[in-house]
Amino acid sequence: AQSVTQLGSHVSVSEGALVLLRCNYSSSVPPYLFWYVQYPNQGLQLLLKYTSAATLVKGINGFEAEFKKSETSFHLTKPSAHMSDAAEYFCAVSDQDGNDMRFGAGTRLTVKP
Amino acid sequence: ETGVTQTPRHLVMGMTNKKSLKCEQHLGHNAMYWYKQSAKKPLELMFVYNFKEQTENNSVPSRFSPECPNSSHLFLHLHTLQPEDSALYLCASSPFYGTGKLEAFFGQGTRLTVV
Repeated sequence: AQSVTQLGSHVSVSEGALVLLRCNYSSSVPPYLFWYVQYPNQGLQLLLKYTSAATLVKGINGFEAEFKKSETSFHLTKPSAHMSDAAEYFCAVSDQDGNDMRFGAGTRLTVKP
Repeated sequence: ETGVTQTPRHLVMGMTNKKSLKCEQHLGHNAMYWYKQSAKKPLELMFVYNFKEQTENNSVPSRFSPECPNSSHLFLHLHTLQPEDSALYLCASSPFYGTGKLEAFFGQGTRLTVV
């Protein structure tokens, strides 16, 4: 069964700094990969997804992620953090049948002024 | 606004109470899900309904009972819960179950506290 590991349960950056949230996956078949964001007291909202087209995926709010098969990674980045980016971010993986989407434990992003 | 609405947003219940969580979507989706989100733990998939039929039950205790009367509505009936069941319960929907590249749309969740 596939799984994801998010390295770092808490990441803190200064406003304007690079955001890098790490996600590594494990899957015996080509995966579909997702990043979701959860703001306080809200549900999860899709940021971006990889579905075997371009390996560099652009999402909403200036985020992007790159699928690297050799590293089994799908790290999320944003060149310049904004205060409004403070939230919890979840990486998820599903197989091509979509029968089992697995989420990581989440990374809480704090943005300092 | 994702198109998935959950009520109530907050619920406090005693261990002997019976309550129900409601989820509604008007996205035309055919698959609906219940997830449990506990602090510092990955999201746990509880139940999946596809075209009103339950397709997944991930070893959830019988004190949680789902109901899906139609593709737009999903309920989670709660009975004799334990304090460790306190969590954020998230409902989600997707166009179909079994197509991995179609993302799920989540509701805002119900924050449940069992006292």
